[in-house]
Amino acid sequence: NAGVTQTPKFRILKIGQSMTLQCTQDMNHNYMYWYRQDPGMGLKLIYYSVGAGITDKGEVPNGYNVSRSTTEDFPLRLELAAPSQTSVYFCASSEDQTSLRAYEQYFGPGTRLTVT
Amino acid sequence: GENVEQHPSTLSVQEGDSAVIKCTYSDSASNYFPWYKQELGKRPQLIIDIRSNVGEKKDQRIAVTLNKTAKHFSLHITETQPEDSAVYFCAASTAGTYKYIFGTGTRLKVLA
Repeated sequence: NAGVTQTPKFRILKIGQSMTLQCTQDMNHNYMYWYRQDPGMGLKLIYYSVGAGITDKGEVPNGYNVSRSTTEDFPLRLELAAPSQTSVYFCASSEDQTSLRAYEQYFGPGTRLTVT
Repeated sequence: GENVEQHPSTLSVQEGDSAVIKCTYSDSASNYFPWYKQELGKRPQLIIDIRSNVGEKKDQRIAVTLNKTAKHFSLHITETQPEDSAVYFCAASTAGTYKYIFGTGTRLKVLA
């Protein structure tokens, strides 16, 4: 299993541009999450999904959108990029609530985004 | 909502000594507490976790303790080694949500 994969690894955006961060998992996990990690800080939850077609806001959703059309993919969309969105973005997944390992989240390698 | 505080923000220990990192949480409904290790430029990796029905859990040199009454939990690393140097994050999750609220991290340096 590749686990959780993310593309791209790095990206530089100009203010006002848009982009989509891709996240794919091959573990058949129902739950998926997007976090951002600012320099020297912890991770903040942006959005999460408990299954295909179901998404919900986390702590810091403003400026982002998500969709979940399949179990495997959970893309994060940035519209009108701003310097405040400069961060490292991590995608994660976990098994559903029926599993004994439901709480364990597995992280992707991250996408380092710079907005200038 | 849930809030997780983590202390200290940096910690330096001599190789072979023990290291302790502490976290407090605010939501008494939180029932799952993982600890993640993040090396520079890498993804967070789960190193140990504890559920609210357990007071202590050990895995070789790593242990986690939980005090539900005081709403705090701690990571203990014994016989520290240079490869233990990393940033450690605690988190708390509330039953049924599966969402984590992370602490702000502790940068551990193990001096050889």
